[in-house]
Amino acid sequence: EPEVTQTPSHQVTQMGQEVILRCVPISNHLYFYWYRQILGQKVEFLVSFYNNEISEKSEIFDDQFSVERPDGSNFTLKIRSTKLEDSAMYFCASSEARRQVFTNYGYTFGSGTRLTVV
Amino acid sequence: AQSVTQLDSQVPVFEEAPVELRCNYSSSVSVYLFWYVQYPNQGLQLLLKYLSGSTLVKGINGFEAEFNKSQTSFHLRKPSVHISDTAEYFCAVSPYNRDDKIIFGKGTRLHILP
Repeated sequence: EPEVTQTPSHQVTQMGQEVILRCVPISNHLYFYWYRQILGQKVEFLVSFYNNEISEKSEIFDDQFSVERPDGSNFTLKIRSTKLEDSAMYFCASSEARRQVFTNYGYTFGSGTRLTVV
Repeated sequence: AQSVTQLDSQVPVFEEAPVELRCNYSSSVSVYLFWYVQYPNQGLQLLLKYLSGSTLVKGINGFEAEFNKSQTSFHLRKPSVHISDTAEYFCAVSPYNRDDKIIFGKGTRLHILP
């Protein structure tokens, strides 16, 4: 069964450092997303990406965040200067269609990267 | 705006006992409803979804959920749980006009006791 792969599974970084979270979406999917879950809180939408550009971003996704699809297979989330409050589980997802109702399985999520900022 | 409330952060249940995981939502527009499950060390996967029609929907692994519009609830149930059901369960909604946007609850961790 196709899956979304995220690496690393756990990353520890010092405050102020840049971090890149990597995702390999399902190969024939066209829509890509990042979500995050701060410990004990809800899973929150960060950004959606289609046709090599951001479709939508939440207010969380400020200038410290960026996404790109550098080589047609990877989908990355970069945090330029990490803060303590960026510590969270980050989930990548991909989808065959923009609207969930047109998909058989909803979005396909990766297993997440746990980012710890110290 | 939409919000999802899962009142129980953890639910312990004995193996082969029934379970209900509660979900309530609020929205000013009509929504689609979903349950996602995250097994240990895996990604979120869709368990079931309610789009329209019958309010009782069946999903994978013997789970079912019932949409109750008047109570704005979408509780998840299983008549007999198995140790393999140990996971975190997320209720989610998407507004009709923007169902590419998913609003999740905090999740409920289901512990199956032997």
